[in-house]
Amino acid sequence: KAGVTQTPRYLIKTRGQQVTLSCSPISGHRSVSWYQQTPGQGLQFLFEYFSETQRNKGNFPGRFSGRQFSNSRSEMNVSTLELGDSALYLCASSLTSGAYSGANVLTFGAGSRLTVL
Amino acid sequence: GQSLEQPSEVTAVEGAIVQINCTYQTSGFYGLSWYQQHDGGAPTFLSYNALDGLEETGRFSSFLSRSDSYGYLLLQELQMKDSASYFCAVRDKGYQKVTFGTGTKLQVIP
Repeated sequence: KAGVTQTPRYLIKTRGQQVTLSCSPISGHRSVSWYQQTPGQGLQFLFEYFSETQRNKGNFPGRFSGRQFSNSRSEMNVSTLELGDSALYLCASSLTSGAYSGANVLTFGAGSRLTVL
Repeated sequence: GQSLEQPSEVTAVEGAIVQINCTYQTSGFYGLSWYQQHDGGAPTFLSYNALDGLEETGRFSSFLSRSDSYGYLLLQELQMKDSASYFCAVRDKGYQKVTFGTGTKLQVIP
């Protein structure tokens, strides 16, 4: 059973550019969530998608956006990059969302490490 | 909102037992999860407590007490490979957001 696949693994951008990251969840998983991880702020929730709908969103500016496709694959986009956006961006998939125990077992991808110069 | 506090670092000896605490302030959540992350790696799921009490999975056990706003991860028979960061996490009942704890870096020494 294939795991969660994130692409690209590494990327370098300059301030003002935009970036799109991709995440393919485990087959059968319908929920995809995104996290930003930095040494200073730890793991911060960005947003979650379930059945192509954004379920919720963390405390990030509107420059951070995402979407989910009918095959559950998800993308996140960061526009007008800032130096502080340099981080490891992690995607996680789960069977479902909400109250069910399956919603609370997250399987993470290896992450996309973004460096903004 | 949610706030989950963990000790930043813990050091323990190989073969020993270590407890990593997670104290929280939250208005309501479904359960407490624990994840392990090795340096340079992705977090991996360890355990989930939907109800109060102890859950055991091999060398790892996790405990939750909602009345005390407290949980912990217990690692027994420590091995060098257990050196990693450990995170607790909750999904709140309101906005359904997942909040991770501040993380504990465990160092296992010979």
